[in-house]
Amino acid sequence: ETGVTQTPRHLVMGMTNKKSLKCEQHLGHNAMYWYKQSAKKPLELMFVYNFKEQTENNSVPSRFSPECPNSSHLFLHLHTLQPEDSALYLCASSHPGYNIQYFGAGTRLSVL
Amino acid sequence: DQQVKQNSPSLSVQEGRISILNCDYTNSMFDYFLWYKKYPAEGPTFLISISSIKDKNEDGRFTVFLNKSAKHLSLHIVPSQPGDSAVYFCAASAVFKTSYDKVIFGPGTSLSVIP
Repeated sequence: ETGVTQTPRHLVMGMTNKKSLKCEQHLGHNAMYWYKQSAKKPLELMFVYNFKEQTENNSVPSRFSPECPNSSHLFLHLHTLQPEDSALYLCASSHPGYNIQYFGAGTRLSVL
Repeated sequence: DQQVKQNSPSLSVQEGRISILNCDYTNSMFDYFLWYKKYPAEGPTFLISISSIKDKNEDGRFTVFLNKSAKHLSLHIVPSQPGDSAVYFCAASAVFKTSYDKVIFGPGTSLSVIP
């Protein structure tokens, strides 16, 4: 398997649930990213990990908690989300110092 | 305030004709620009890029033009094909300014190529 894989593809959760999104890349990259895409809005960068270290937290609420155990895996832990958090969550990876990012297909999240 | 703007949310073009997608940016520090294409239920895929030292980059049917003085770039698709129907994102970044690639995306333009 190659590329960037995200699971699950779809997720429906209540406001009191705890869930996790998973991202795995098989491209040998060392930088990984979480983006949020809401309807009619640009992709919003949430978190960046570079060589497993978090290098950016773009003022994301604490109900989103990222985890990067190694350069190939990235998680986004979700708890007590709000309905406005419903969106497409995209993971991407790249080589550090290169601008071209490779994206997964995303997780479509609905918070009820 | 959006640093990368795509003022046309949608565009319809006849098959075989030229598609022109426009993008404007506000930050003069940007020096590398990218176009991504996104089909429904898929993630964005890299299409073509251009460095600020160039004003044109071509790859097959796709050409990107950069006008630095106007802070404007455009993507030309010639000839347009129905398979080109997708959302196109313009993106900009500053090369080597940080240890990772902070890329700012525009809101996207949905292109429909009509057979």
